[in-house]
Formats: sequence, C-alpha cells, structure tokens
Amino acid sequence: RKEVEQDPGPFNVPEGATVAFNCTYSNSASQSFFWYRQDCRKEPKLLMSVYSSGNEDGRFTAQLNRASQYISLLIRDSKLSDSATYLCVVKVQNFVFGPGTRLSVLP
Amino acid sequence: SQTIHQWPATLVQPVGSPLSLECTVEGTSNPNLYWYRQAAGRGLQLLFYSVGIGQISSEVPQNLSASRPQDRQFILSSKKLLLSDSGFYLCAWSVGSGELFFGEGSRLTVL
Repeated sequence: RKEVEQDPGPFNVPEGATVAFNCTYSNSASQSFFWYRQDCRKEPKLLMSVYSSGNEDGRFTAQLNRASQYISLLIRDSKLSDSATYLCVVKVQNFVFGPGTRLSVLP
Repeated sequence: SQTIHQWPATLVQPVGSPLSLECTVEGTSNPNLYWYRQAAGRGLQLLFYSVGIGQISSEVPQNLSASRPQDRQFILSSKKLLLSDSGFYLCAWSVGSGELFFGEGSRLTVL
C-alpha cells in the first residue's frame, strides 16, 4: 500500500462547482498534514495546512480524520484559476507526497 | 522574509556529462534542506535531505549525490548523467515542524 493515496482524477468541473478531493495515509504516526497545489511545469506551493479541528481559508476547507487516516479538501465556487494538480502531503519524519489529483475548471 | 533560489532553471546535458544544481535559502538559519525529483507525469520523489552542514541522508540509491557546504546552501551533483536522470528537480526547505517551501525548480533533459 502506498503511503499517501489520492483520488486518481482528473476532475473536470464547470466554473462555480464544488469539488472535493480525498486522501488517505497509511502511517498512523503521521504528525502534520498539508495540501499543496502545483501548476503545470511549476513548483508545488502550499495551499493550506490541515488541522484536526478542520480549517477554512476562503473557498477552501480542509478536514482531517485521524481515526480513519483520511484528509479532504473542498473547493467551493471553483474558478478557472483553480485549475491545477492538488497534492496531499503527510509528514512523519519527512514529507511524503501523494501522486496528486488534477483539476480542470471549465468555462 | 525567507526566500529560496535555485539554478539553473533549465539545462540540456548529454549522457555521461556531469551535473551541478545549486540551491540557497535566505532569511532563515539552520533549515532542513531537501532535493526532490519529479519525472514527467509522476509524483515527487525525495532524493536527499539534510538537517545540518555536512549531514546528508539519501532516500534512494541513484546516480546522484548531494552536499551541504554551508548552512543555507545545498548542491545536487552527478559525475555522469544517465538518460533516466531527466526530470524536474526541486530544492525545498523547512524549519522545525513547519511547512515545506520549494524553489522554482530546475528542468533537466539528458540526451
């Protein structure tokens, strides 16, 4: 089993749609959790950290379920500029990246 | 504020030639430093990480090496490149249990 698994994608959604990304991790000792976005041919950039109580940043909401070892990212009212690959990242000793889920927001 | 610089941005090298990619971090002390590689259409693979000067840990056996001659400098090298070394190389830093921040990457094509 891979350490971090994500929805295979790609997700193609119309502008204004709500889209949810799912991520599971295998190591119960994982300490920190993040979502990154990566635009084509660019470096990954931190989107948000994920806290046990859940956290929200504008249109983005992240949730963590430690018991189920599951992380989610919800994007509401999606914009064309949200098109990117979304990477789930889990930190144990080092940062472990999921394979990413590609999102295309269509006009 | 902290910044990370990585160069060169793009390079095309023949098989068997040497490689040197350099990365420097500004605005922080004693960062953890990382080299990742991303092959075309693939996920990020951790190559090396360093918690201090001269301290290098390798995650996978490979044709590459890393060095940290100064606190905020991290270098990725190869004596003889292979075709399979082509990819997008990313330097990154973190402090403590904080987030990971990436440089802009170096795109290597080995011909």
